[in-house]
Amino acid sequence: DAGVIQSPRHEVTEMGQEVTLRCKPISGHNSLFWYRQTMMRGLELLIYFNNNVPIDDSGMPEDRFSAKMPNASFSTLKIQPSEPRDSAVYFCASSRSSRAFFGQGTRLTVV
Amino acid sequence: DAKTTQPPSMDCAEGRAANLPCNHSTISGNEYVYWYRQIHSQGPQYIIHGLKNNETNEMASLIITEDRKSSTLILPHATLRDTAVYYCIASDSWGKLQFGAGTQVVVTP
Repeated sequence: DAGVIQSPRHEVTEMGQEVTLRCKPISGHNSLFWYRQTMMRGLELLIYFNNNVPIDDSGMPEDRFSAKMPNASFSTLKIQPSEPRDSAVYFCASSRSSRAFFGQGTRLTVV
Repeated sequence: DAKTTQPPSMDCAEGRAANLPCNHSTISGNEYVYWYRQIHSQGPQYIIHGLKNNETNEMASLIITEDRKSSTLILPHATLRDTAVYYCIASDSWGKLQFGAGTQVVVTP
């Protein structure tokens, strides 16, 4: 298995632009998580899905952030409009039981 | 989820055992102790988890005190590739993890 696949690996965008981060979970995993990591706040859980349904989005910072999981093999995290303070590494993770597997992350820079 | 406390950093000599402590004095009965690590610029990696009993796998051993208020992760023979930030997490959900600051472990030759 290739593991959790995230794209792009790096993204540089201008303030005000829409940004879409993508995640392909491990086949057969029924839970998917989006995390954000910054120097100031560390690793934070943004939202998680179970069987493609959003269960807890209390970590989503504000309405500019949205996440979807249209099917079991794909999820997106969208920021619209983006702001410099959204600059961070965004991780996607998936799990089936007992452990979560993380992707390599997307490093987002908003200038 | 219960709060965990870890030392901010520790050094370990290559080839020696690394013992990483974690306090979780407010852990509840249904919360597991999870250990993850993050090597620079990579996503977190699962190491081990346990509820009450000590656990061992190919990566490490987990020792949980009888009162479950603290635990120790043991890397039996540390290598340079074990240099990473190690996170101890108490959670009742294997994916909904509240990461703290962790312990920066540096393995030296």
